[in-house]
Amino acid sequence: KNQVEQSPQSLIILEGKNCTLQCNYTVSPFSNLRWYKQDTGRGPVSLTIMTFSENTKSNGRYTATLDADTKQSSLHITASQLSDSASYICVPFRGNNRLAFGKGNQVVVIP
Amino acid sequence: GAGVSQTPSNKVTEKGKYVELRCDPISGHTALYWYRQSLGQGPEFLIYFQGTGAADDSGLPNDRFFAVRPEGSVSTLKIQRTERGDSAVYLCASSPTGTVNTEAFFGQGTRLTVV
Repeated sequence: KNQVEQSPQSLIILEGKNCTLQCNYTVSPFSNLRWYKQDTGRGPVSLTIMTFSENTKSNGRYTATLDADTKQSSLHITASQLSDSASYICVPFRGNNRLAFGKGNQVVVIP
Repeated sequence: GAGVSQTPSNKVTEKGKYVELRCDPISGHTALYWYRQSLGQGPEFLIYFQGTGAADDSGLPNDRFFAVRPEGSVSTLKIQRTERGDSAVYLCASSPTGTVNTEAFFGQGTRLTVV
C-alpha cells in the first residue's frame, strides 16, 4: 500500500509565480518529515526536516508545513525560478534508518 | 572531497557480467546508505551501514546484490550476474551519525545500464 500520496503529480508554472505541493501520508508514527528536491540526473537534496511537533519550516524560498493531526504536509515555493524545475519528494521518516521515497511532484518552471 | 562521490558516473555492462559501484562518503560520516532509482520512480532503499557493519540490508532485492564497507568509509556495491532489470541509477548517501534527525547527503549516482 502506498503510504505517501503527493499532488499534483506534475505541475507547470510560470517563472515568478508561487506554487504549493501537497503530501498526504499514512505512515505513523514517524520521527520527522522531510522534503527533498531532486534535479534531473542528480541525487536528492534535503530542503527541510520537521519533527512532528513543528508546524512550519523555511529554507529560503521554500516553506514546508506539517499538520500531524490530519497527516498532511505541504511545500510552498515562492517566486519560482527556472532552477526550481525538479522533482519534490515528501518523506515521512520512521527513524529506522531507511528513507521511503515516493515518486514526488514534478515541477516545471517556464519563462 | 566536499560531498559524496560516486564512481563511475555511468556504467554499461553486458547481461550476466559482474559490476562494482563505488561510494566515497563525506569524511567522518558514520552512516552510509545505498538506494536504487528506476526511471520515473523515487529512490528505493537497498542497504544501510553504520560504520563497517550492515545494520539493515533488507532492501537488497536478491543474493546477486552485496555491499561492503570494510574500513567504515568507502563502500562498494557489488552486483553479480547482472540482468537487464538491474538497469537504474544507484545512489549513495551518507550522514554524520545516522540518528533520526540528521540529514542524509546524496551523491550524483551511478547510472547502470545492462544490455
